[in-house]
Amino acid sequence: EVKLVESGGAVVQPGGSLRLSCIASGFTFNDYSMHWVRQTPGKGLEWVSLISWDGGSTYYADSVKGRFTISRDNSKNSLYLQMSSLRTEDTALYYCAKAYSYSTNWFDPWGQGTLVTVSS
Amino acid sequence: EVVMTQSPGTLSVSPGERATLSCRASQSVSSNLAWYQQKPGQAPRLLIYGASTRATGIPARFSGSGSGTEFTLTISSLQSEDFAVYYCQQYNNWPYTFGQGTKLEIK
Repeated sequence: EVKLVESGGAVVQPGGSLRLSCIASGFTFNDYSMHWVRQTPGKGLEWVSLISWDGGSTYYADSVKGRFTISRDNSKNSLYLQMSSLRTEDTALYYCAKAYSYSTNWFDPWGQGTLVTVSS
Repeated sequence: EVVMTQSPGTLSVSPGERATLSCRASQSVSSNLAWYQQKPGQAPRLLIYGASTRATGIPARFSGSGSGTEFTLTISSLQSEDFAVYYCQQYNNWPYTFGQGTKLEIK
């Protein structure tokens, strides 16, 4: 069974930093691109970032560019999102998601999410 | 950015009936469109990609159609487990964008 488990969500003050992790199992992790997608009641679903299978290519939404860094450790079947200069509008449930097939840009499956709250 | 607009916001349908959900893109996304289902407290689940291809394990009562800017998700005979929120997502243009969702509720 393909499984993605996120962790690292917390309450953090504006301007703070946080690192999210996602541990993958049930598939050959280093064959697939991986994504982070976030969800809020107000803005709905928002794609955040993409990393290629080998980590050689990364992409970001304009809203997080320059503040967030996506990375992966294929030896640990792990995906990360380093978040800095956090803003209140970054408050969301953050999902990691696997590319459906290798480097496709639709997502399946998704993890259960980890909640990030940015508040003073 | 491509804006995805879903309609209606809420759809009330009786079990066993047919449901038709719409998704419109602000510019052509070809057939690069996916549909997801989300139930309360759960992550979204992929239903359809390429506008009309069912994902692995998705029942045949789910079908997708359309191309360009107009897309439809049809559920032919609603089961109790189908009542959920449905999202469309385009992956033709950077950044990938989602619709705001259609809530399918029991009538």
